[in-house]
Amino acid sequence: AQTVTQSQPEMSVQEAETVTLSCTYDTSESNYYLFWYKQPPSRQMILVIRQEAYKQQNATENRFSVNFQKAAKSFSLKISDSQLGDTAMYFCAFILYSGAGSYQLTFGKGTKLSVIP
Amino acid sequence: KAGVTQTPRYLIKTRGQQVTLSCSPISGHRSVSWYQQTPGQGLQFLFEYFSETQRNKGNFPGRFSGRQFSNSRSEMNVSTLELGDSALYLCASRSGSEQYFGPGTRLTVT
Repeated sequence: AQTVTQSQPEMSVQEAETVTLSCTYDTSESNYYLFWYKQPPSRQMILVIRQEAYKQQNATENRFSVNFQKAAKSFSLKISDSQLGDTAMYFCAFILYSGAGSYQLTFGKGTKLSVIP
Repeated sequence: KAGVTQTPRYLIKTRGQQVTLSCSPISGHRSVSWYQQTPGQGLQFLFEYFSETQRNKGNFPGRFSGRQFSNSRSEMNVSTLELGDSALYLCASRSGSEQYFGPGTRLTVT
Protein backbone atom coordinates (compact mmCIF):
# COMPACT_ATOMS: atom_id res chain seq x y z
CA ALA A 1 0.00 0.00 0.00
CA GLN A 2 1.10 3.52 -0.71
CA THR A 3 1.23 6.11 2.06
CA VAL A 4 1.89 9.83 2.07
CA THR A 5 3.00 11.67 5.21
CA GLN A 6 2.95 15.39 5.80
CA SER A 7 4.55 16.02 9.17
CA GLN A 8 3.66 19.71 9.49
CA PRO A 9 -0.06 20.18 10.27
CA GLU A 10 0.26 23.97 10.29
CA MET A 11 2.78 26.54 9.14
CA SER A 12 2.92 30.27 8.78
CA VAL A 13 5.08 32.59 6.71
CA GLN A 14 5.45 36.33 6.32
CA GLU A 15 4.30 37.81 3.06
CA ALA A 16 7.15 37.90 0.47
CA GLU A 17 9.16 35.28 2.38
CA THR A 18 9.93 31.71 1.36
CA VAL A 19 8.43 28.61 2.96
CA THR A 20 9.02 24.88 2.47
CA LEU A 21 6.37 22.22 3.06
CA SER A 22 7.53 18.67 3.69
CA CYS A 23 6.20 15.40 2.33
CA THR A 24 7.42 11.83 2.44
CA TYR A 25 5.86 8.83 0.79
CA ASP A 26 6.23 5.11 0.77
CA THR A 27 5.90 2.80 -2.20
CA SER A 28 7.59 -0.24 -3.63
CA GLU A 29 6.78 0.85 -7.17
CA SER A 30 9.26 2.67 -9.37
CA ASN A 31 6.96 4.39 -11.84
CA TYR A 32 4.70 7.01 -10.33
CA TYR A 33 3.80 10.70 -10.15
CA LEU A 34 3.75 13.12 -7.26
CA PHE A 35 1.63 16.21 -6.91
CA TRP A 36 0.99 19.15 -4.68
CA TYR A 37 -2.58 20.38 -4.52
CA LYS A 38 -3.81 23.57 -2.91
CA GLN A 39 -7.22 23.86 -1.28
CA PRO A 40 -8.12 27.45 -0.30
CA PRO A 41 -11.06 28.27 1.97
CA SER A 42 -13.34 28.05 -1.09
CA ARG A 43 -12.62 24.27 -0.97
CA GLN A 44 -11.75 24.08 -4.68
CA MET A 45 -8.80 21.70 -5.05
CA ILE A 46 -6.21 23.22 -7.36
CA LEU A 47 -3.26 21.40 -8.92
CA VAL A 48 -0.08 23.32 -8.06
CA ILE A 49 2.74 21.21 -9.43
CA ARG A 50 3.54 17.75 -10.76
CA GLN A 51 6.69 15.60 -10.69
CA GLU A 52 7.33 12.42 -12.65
CA ALA A 53 9.34 9.88 -10.67
CA TYR A 54 11.54 9.02 -13.64
CA LYS A 55 12.69 12.64 -14.03
CA GLN A 56 15.64 13.73 -11.94
CA GLN A 57 15.07 17.41 -12.66
CA ASN A 58 12.91 19.13 -10.06
CA ALA A 59 9.67 20.62 -11.36
CA THR A 60 9.02 24.36 -11.13
CA GLU A 61 5.89 26.45 -11.75
CA ASN A 62 6.49 30.16 -11.33
CA ARG A 63 6.93 30.74 -7.58
CA PHE A 64 6.46 27.04 -6.77
CA SER A 65 9.22 24.45 -6.95
CA VAL A 66 9.83 21.01 -5.55
CA ASN A 67 12.80 19.18 -4.10
CA PHE A 68 12.35 15.57 -5.19
CA GLN A 69 14.65 13.06 -3.52
CA LYS A 70 13.63 9.67 -4.92
CA ALA A 71 15.97 7.53 -2.82
CA ALA A 72 14.79 9.23 0.35
CA LYS A 73 11.16 9.21 -0.89
CA SER A 74 10.89 12.88 -0.13
CA PHE A 75 8.96 15.52 -2.07
CA SER A 76 8.96 19.00 -0.55
CA LEU A 77 7.28 22.12 -1.92
CA LYS A 78 8.98 25.50 -1.83
CA ILE A 79 6.90 28.63 -2.20
CA SER A 80 8.91 31.76 -2.95
CA ASP A 81 7.72 35.33 -2.51
CA SER A 82 4.67 34.16 -0.54
CA GLN A 83 1.45 36.01 -1.25
CA LEU A 84 -1.75 36.35 0.77
CA GLY A 85 -3.53 34.24 -1.85
CA ASP A 86 -1.25 31.33 -1.01
CA THR A 87 -3.10 30.87 2.28
CA ALA A 88 -4.64 27.40 1.97
CA MET A 89 -4.39 23.74 2.85
CA TYR A 90 -1.67 22.05 0.84
CA PHE A 91 -1.91 18.37 0.07
CA CYS A 92 0.87 16.14 -1.14
CA ALA A 93 -0.45 13.32 -3.33
CA PHE A 94 0.88 10.25 -5.04
CA ILE A 95 -0.42 8.40 -8.09
CA LEU A 96 0.72 5.14 -9.60
CA TYR A 97 1.19 4.91 -13.32
CA SER A 98 -0.28 1.89 -15.02
CA GLY A 99 -0.59 1.82 -18.80
CA ALA A 100 -3.90 0.02 -18.83
CA GLY A 101 -4.99 0.34 -15.25
CA SER A 102 -6.65 2.70 -12.91
CA TYR A 103 -5.30 5.85 -11.37
CA GLN A 104 -5.89 6.49 -7.70
CA LEU A 105 -4.58 9.50 -5.84
CA THR A 106 -3.38 8.86 -2.31
CA PHE A 107 -3.28 12.06 -0.28
CA GLY A 108 -1.42 13.16 2.79
CA LYS A 109 -3.31 14.75 5.69
CA GLY A 110 -2.39 18.23 4.54
CA THR A 111 -0.49 21.26 5.83
CA LYS A 112 -2.42 24.41 6.65
CA LEU A 113 -0.37 27.38 5.45
CA SER A 114 -1.12 30.89 6.61
CA VAL A 115 0.54 33.85 4.93
CA ILE A 116 0.81 36.77 7.34
CA PRO A 117 0.73 40.35 6.02
CA LYS B 1 -12.49 24.81 -21.54
CA ALA B 2 -15.03 24.67 -18.79
CA GLY B 3 -13.86 23.00 -15.60
CA VAL B 4 -15.33 20.09 -13.70
CA THR B 5 -18.83 20.84 -12.49
CA GLN B 6 -20.66 19.20 -9.62
CA THR B 7 -24.30 19.44 -8.63
CA PRO B 8 -25.73 20.17 -6.22
CA ARG B 9 -23.18 22.19 -4.27
CA TYR B 10 -24.93 21.73 -0.94
CA LEU B 11 -27.28 19.06 0.28
CA ILE B 12 -28.96 18.28 3.57
CA LYS B 13 -30.43 14.83 4.07
CA THR B 14 -31.83 12.77 6.91
CA ARG B 15 -30.42 9.48 8.17
CA GLY B 16 -31.77 6.54 6.18
CA GLN B 17 -32.40 8.52 3.01
CA GLN B 18 -30.46 8.13 -0.18
CA VAL B 19 -28.69 10.75 -2.25
CA THR B 20 -27.37 11.12 -5.78
CA LEU B 21 -24.53 13.47 -6.66
CA SER B 22 -23.61 14.46 -10.19
CA CYS B 23 -20.32 15.31 -11.86
CA SER B 24 -19.58 16.57 -15.36
CA PRO B 25 -15.92 16.23 -16.34
CA ILE B 26 -13.85 18.55 -18.48
CA SER B 27 -14.76 18.12 -22.12
CA GLY B 28 -12.74 15.29 -23.66
CA HIS B 29 -11.85 13.66 -20.35
CA ARG B 30 -13.12 10.11 -20.10
CA SER B 31 -12.05 9.32 -16.56
CA VAL B 32 -13.92 10.44 -13.48
CA SER B 33 -12.90 9.72 -9.90
CA TRP B 34 -14.74 10.40 -6.67
CA TYR B 35 -13.23 11.28 -3.29
CA GLN B 36 -14.67 11.80 0.15
CA GLN B 37 -13.14 14.50 2.35
CA THR B 38 -13.78 14.62 6.09
CA PRO B 39 -11.88 16.37 8.91
CA GLY B 40 -11.11 13.04 10.57
CA GLN B 41 -10.19 10.81 7.66
CA GLY B 42 -8.93 13.38 5.19
CA LEU B 43 -9.25 12.65 1.49
CA GLN B 44 -10.23 9.10 0.63
CA PHE B 45 -10.67 7.54 -2.79
CA LEU B 46 -14.13 6.18 -3.52
CA PHE B 47 -13.98 4.93 -7.11
CA GLU B 48 -12.86 5.67 -10.65
CA TYR B 49 -14.83 5.30 -13.86
CA PHE B 50 -13.38 5.21 -17.33
CA SER B 51 -15.51 4.82 -20.46
CA GLU B 52 -18.53 3.78 -18.40
CA THR B 53 -16.62 1.05 -16.54
CA GLN B 54 -15.61 1.10 -12.91
CA ARG B 55 -11.85 0.67 -12.92
CA ASN B 56 -11.10 0.81 -9.22
CA LYS B 57 -12.93 1.08 -5.93
CA GLY B 58 -11.78 2.27 -2.55
CA ASN B 59 -12.52 0.77 0.82
CA PHE B 60 -16.10 1.92 1.26
CA PRO B 61 -19.24 -0.09 2.00
CA GLY B 62 -21.60 -1.19 -0.73
CA ARG B 63 -23.95 1.69 0.14
CA PHE B 64 -21.64 3.82 -1.99
CA SER B 65 -22.07 3.22 -5.70
CA GLY B 66 -21.59 5.08 -8.91
CA ARG B 67 -21.97 4.99 -12.63
CA GLN B 68 -20.78 6.78 -15.71
CA PHE B 69 -22.75 7.64 -18.81
CA SER B 70 -21.69 7.61 -22.43
CA ASN B 71 -21.06 11.37 -22.33
CA SER B 72 -18.62 10.76 -19.42
CA ARG B 73 -20.87 12.40 -16.87
CA SER B 74 -20.86 10.47 -13.62
CA GLU B 75 -23.22 10.03 -10.72
CA MET B 76 -22.50 8.82 -7.23
CA ASN B 77 -25.19 7.33 -5.04
CA VAL B 78 -25.22 6.77 -1.31
CA SER B 79 -28.06 4.72 0.10
CA THR B 80 -29.24 4.45 3.70
CA LEU B 81 -27.36 7.56 4.77
CA GLU B 82 -25.54 7.59 8.09
CA LEU B 83 -24.37 10.58 10.10
CA GLY B 84 -20.78 9.65 9.25
CA ASP B 85 -21.47 10.18 5.57
CA SER B 86 -21.47 13.92 6.16
CA ALA B 87 -18.54 15.12 4.08
CA LEU B 88 -17.33 17.07 1.09
CA TYR B 89 -17.55 14.84 -1.97
CA LEU B 90 -15.08 15.75 -4.67
CA CYS B 91 -15.13 14.65 -8.26
CA ALA B 92 -12.07 14.77 -10.48
CA SER B 93 -11.59 14.26 -14.19
CA ARG B 94 -8.31 13.02 -15.51
CA SER B 95 -6.07 13.75 -18.46
CA GLY B 96 -3.04 11.51 -18.43
CA SER B 97 -1.79 11.46 -14.86
CA GLU B 98 -3.27 14.81 -13.87
CA GLN B 99 -6.60 15.01 -12.07
CA TYR B 100 -8.63 18.20 -12.04
CA PHE B 101 -11.16 18.65 -9.31
CA GLY B 102 -14.61 20.12 -9.19
CA PRO B 103 -15.84 22.45 -6.44
CA GLY B 104 -17.36 19.56 -4.49
CA THR B 105 -20.75 18.77 -3.01
CA ARG B 106 -21.13 19.42 0.71
CA LEU B 107 -23.42 16.72 2.12
CA THR B 108 -24.82 17.08 5.60
CA VAL B 109 -26.69 14.17 7.14
CA THR B 110 -28.91 14.97 10.12
